[in-house]
Amino acid sequence: EAGVTQFPSHSVIEKGQTVTLRCDPISGHDNLYWYRRVMGKEIKFLLHFVKESKQDESGMPNNRFLAERTGGTYSTLKVQPAELEDSGVYFCASSQVGTGANVLTFGAGSRLTVL
Amino acid sequence: SQQGEEDPQALSIQEGENATMNCSYKTSINNLQWYRQNSGRGLVHLILIRSNEREKHSGRLRVTLDTSKKSSSLLITASRAADTASYFCATDPISGGYQKVTFGTGTKLQVIP
Repeated sequence: EAGVTQFPSHSVIEKGQTVTLRCDPISGHDNLYWYRRVMGKEIKFLLHFVKESKQDESGMPNNRFLAERTGGTYSTLKVQPAELEDSGVYFCASSQVGTGANVLTFGAGSRLTVL
Repeated sequence: SQQGEEDPQALSIQEGENATMNCSYKTSINNLQWYRQNSGRGLVHLILIRSNEREKHSGRLRVTLDTSKKSSSLLITASRAADTASYFCATDPISGGYQKVTFGTGTKLQVIP
């Protein structure tokens, strides 16, 4: 079984530019989460999809961040325009719905560096 | 504020020693999980303990849960250099079917060979 795949693994962009991160969850996993870790701090929840619907996007920092999950498969997280404080590692995780214990499988993360 | 606050923030021990990490959380939970993150990689699930369980073992891992104190501990026995990583607790709150898992700041463990 393929794991959770994230692309790119590392992106370096200038302030004001746009970056799109992609996550391919495990096939059949309806739950998809985005998290961010900045400078070794907490792993902060950004948002949660169930299939193609946004269940909770309370952790999204501001309207410069846009997440989509077309057709309930892969998801993208776009940052536009990027700011310096957006630098960090963005993790995607997926899990099955309704299994009782919500064990997440994580991707390796996308490291974003905004200069 | 974030669920799951781990302490200590950093821990350095010699190979063969035991490592204990603690986690406190704020809301009622369905279960609590521990994950490990090796540098440059994603988090890997280690062990899950349900709210009606008090202790659980898996290999060299021992997890305890005290729901009255809203706290958990992870014990790694006979540590190895390969255990060097960051460890996070994650809580799955009681939320009427909605499953939002939140993490804390983690404990960075260094095991010195």
